[in-house]
Amino acid sequence: GESVGLHLPTLSVQEGDNSIINCAYSNSASDYFIWYKQESGKGPQFIIDIRSNMDKRQGQRVTVLLNKTVKHLSLQIAATQPGDSAVYFCAENPGGTSYGKLTFGQGTILTVHP
Amino acid sequence: DAGITQSPRHKVTETGTPVTLRCHQTENHRYMYWYRQDPGHGLRLIHYSYGVKDTDKGEVSDGYSVSRSKTEDFLLTLESATSSQTSVYFCAISEQWSGSIQYFGAGTRLSVL
Repeated sequence: GESVGLHLPTLSVQEGDNSIINCAYSNSASDYFIWYKQESGKGPQFIIDIRSNMDKRQGQRVTVLLNKTVKHLSLQIAATQPGDSAVYFCAENPGGTSYGKLTFGQGTILTVHP
Repeated sequence: DAGITQSPRHKVTETGTPVTLRCHQTENHRYMYWYRQDPGHGLRLIHYSYGVKDTDKGEVSDGYSVSRSKTEDFLLTLESATSSQTSVYFCAISEQWSGSIQYFGAGTRLSVL
């Protein structure tokens, strides 16, 4: 089946810097692309999603960019804080008969140093 | 964790024994999901439910069964646990089938020896 993967398994940044987490996907028919955050010992938490007909969407301190030409998804976190330290997963909501069955990537560990 | 309770939180069992994990929600969401999380694999969908007594298979359903007799409860059963089923299991719920926004429980860590 189709899969979602990540370029970088770990990312370390200084507090206050901007962070960029990348993700490559292979299913060009997916309808939505999503970012989740998972803190240690907790379940994943929805951050933001973007529909396939968009190339940018902004939330609070986060921006998701979608480049369908190269099948690339990124999550930008502005002014990264220690509380942003977590594992970040990209996921896709496939189209067709698999709609609603999310496929998750392996995750990127973000560490924010004070 | 959005009114989702998973039980037990930790369990150690032996190969060949049956195991049932419970997910209880207080949000009255229609859709419920079971995932497993393993290093190097992210989260993988085991089974999901789109209503009472309505369930279907996910990506990695072999060796698992589910039941949903009430809106608030979704049970995952390992009929005969194997060591390959050692994992962290997450339950999730969503209000809409669009699926993007799912709320996850805190997880159950299962070890099969």
